Amino acid sequence: GDSVTQMEGPVTLSEEAFLTINCTYTATGYPSLFWYVQYPGEGLQLLLKATKADDKGSNKGFEATYRKETTSFHLEKGSVQVSDSAVYFCALSPNQAGTALIFGKGTTLSVSS
Amino acid sequence: DGGITQSPKYLFRKEGQNVTLSCEQNLNHDAMYWYRQDPGQGLRLIYYSQIVNDFQKGDIAEGYSVSREKKESFPLTVTSAQKNPTAFYLCASREPGGGSPLHFGNGTRLTVT
Repeated sequence: GDSVTQMEGPVTLSEEAFLTINCTYTATGYPSLFWYVQYPGEGLQLLLKATKADDKGSNKGFEATYRKETTSFHLEKGSVQVSDSAVYFCALSPNQAGTALIFGKGTTLSVSS
Repeated sequence: DGGITQSPKYLFRKEGQNVTLSCEQNLNHDAMYWYRQDPGQGLRLIYYSQIVNDFQKGDIAEGYSVSREKKESFPLTVTSAQKNPTAFYLCASREPGGGSPLHFGNGTRLTVT
């Protein structure tokens, strides 16, 4: 079945460092791809999405490009801030009506000043 | 503002008791979902509903039950048959279409002792 694999954390960075969180997927057809962020004690918030190959999603300095050839959707940010400390989830939505999103296990990011 | 409301934020129950978690949305979304989150496990799908009076089991439905009598409401009951009910429960909704993102509530943390 469809699945999402993302790099295990925690990822620990200093402020202004470059961030990459790897995400690869297995799916039939052409899924939509998402990154969500979760702050402590809260629900998940959509960070960005891409719905077809070569699309780039971007928001708040974060970017991810839908790469069909490598089945990847890596999250990047050029300069992280302490406020970016959170758990990041990669997810896919199969291209079928009536299906739910499938999530990776999450990657914890900790940024220190 | 439209959104998803989960209540209560914290819930404590004794083992052997059933407990119902509330989820209400005013986004006018047809589809609603319940996920369970455990440390290091990511999000796992419990139940989802595409339309009023209809719902489907997710990956870990055993020990849970739901109802969908109104479009706005999708309560989850954790029964005494659920062997390990202590977890963080997240409710979500979305518009039709694979490219539509999930909108999440802020979750209910259930502790059963």
